[in-house]
Amino acid sequence: QLQLQESGPGLVKPSETLSLTCTVSGASITASGFYWGWIRQPPGKGLEYIGSRYYSGNTYYNPSLKSRATISADTSKNQFSLQLSSVTAADTAVYYCARQGVTIFGVVTGYHPWGQGTLVTVSS
Amino acid sequence: DIVMTQTPLSLSVTPGQPASISCKSSQSLLHSDGKNYLYWYLQKSGQPPQLLIYEVSNRFSGVPDRFSGSGSGTDFTLKISRVEAEDVGVYYCMQSIELPPLTFGGGTKVEIK
Repeated sequence: QLQLQESGPGLVKPSETLSLTCTVSGASITASGFYWGWIRQPPGKGLEYIGSRYYSGNTYYNPSLKSRATISADTSKNQFSLQLSSVTAADTAVYYCARQGVTIFGVVTGYHPWGQGTLVTVSS
Repeated sequence: DIVMTQTPLSLSVTPGQPASISCKSSQSLLHSDGKNYLYWYLQKSGQPPQLLIYEVSNRFSGVPDRFSGSGSGTDFTLKISRVEAEDVGVYYCMQSIELPPLTFGGGTKVEIK
């Protein structure tokens, strides 16, 4: 059974870099045909796409993050990570990792499954 | 970016009664492969979103048949034929035909009367 689990500091200071890891069990992040992504949800608000990393290493990011986000992978540990630089209070959110499929036409599909999420607060 | 607009913002439903949520996209979600890349999620309190419906009308594994989805192009609807207590939460639509960024609707909160 595929499971994803986020981990990382729950508190980050303004202007610093937020770093989170998603540990995947039950499937390999190098398996073809899947994207591994990050989504966030500010307290009491809706869902925001952060970015996705294809099994081959290609990545997409939300332009609204103005190049602050980086998604990387440690295939030896079957983990992928998010770094978000120069954080502000607006980056306070629950951060989720999740998997997406890809159709034979190259269209990315919906997220399933999701990790349980981890709350990151940006505060001095 | 494709903007996803959900209505209503909230619904209060008597158990056993139907409910309907609308989702409109600013651009067509119909791909040349004939599929509309529109998804519905339910987020229960304190939990991550769970996939209900994929590609407009396909119920995900284990989703009760009281949930149904319809639509094409830019207009989509999620219907619950008979709302049950376990259906409370926030429902989100999401498009994946264009990224980045993949975009979500603002959510519809469903509660029981």
